[in-house]
Amino acid sequence: AQTVTQSQPEMSVQEAETVTLSCTYDTSESDYYLFWYKQPPSRQMILVIRQEAYKQQNATENRFSVNFQKAAKSFSLKISDSQLGDAAMYFCAYLSSNTGKLIFGQGTTLQVKP
Amino acid sequence: KAGVTQTPRYLIKTRGQQVTLSCSPISGHRSVSWYQQTPGQGLQFLFEYFSETQRNKGNFPGRFSGRQFSNSRSEMNVSTLELGDSALYLCASRRQTGGTGELFFGEGSRLTVL
Repeated sequence: AQTVTQSQPEMSVQEAETVTLSCTYDTSESDYYLFWYKQPPSRQMILVIRQEAYKQQNATENRFSVNFQKAAKSFSLKISDSQLGDAAMYFCAYLSSNTGKLIFGQGTTLQVKP
Repeated sequence: KAGVTQTPRYLIKTRGQQVTLSCSPISGHRSVSWYQQTPGQGLQFLFEYFSETQRNKGNFPGRFSGRQFSNSRSEMNVSTLELGDSALYLCASRRQTGGTGELFFGEGSRLTVL
């Protein structure tokens, strides 16, 4: 069975600085998707960035980028120029190609200090 | 383009009652998944429906059931409610099923069981 682990329950960053959130996963599948979702206090889960496992190039979306290390099964999220609106719970998620279900990590609460 | 709509947003029930939650996916999306979010267990997959068929089911008791209609709208039902069923229930939709495509989430239905 696949598992996703986020080892940092809480992180904080100064506004305009850069922060990296860690995620590791375990799987025997070769084809899958990885995602980072953001859940602000309003509770709606918002997709931040996605990575297809077959792509070697790391995904980038504006200030958000990932460091995808397939062999190490690592998928970290880097947030550059952090903004107050980035404060939220961040979830790393694995989409199984076999079951089609999303497996979430425990989440990392990000605090952005002004 | 309207997002995923979940109703009701909040509800309070007592032990032993049953509850039905509704989810309207994004137009054109045929897959609907349900997730339970609790502080203790995190985000857990309940089930996924695609073209009115349950495609996969998580490790939840038979009290949790769902269905999907021909217009892709989905409902989930929890019978004989227990205190531990108190949670945020999230619905997510995507175009296809299987191991591709990101999921778009609704705002959730907050269930409190007294």
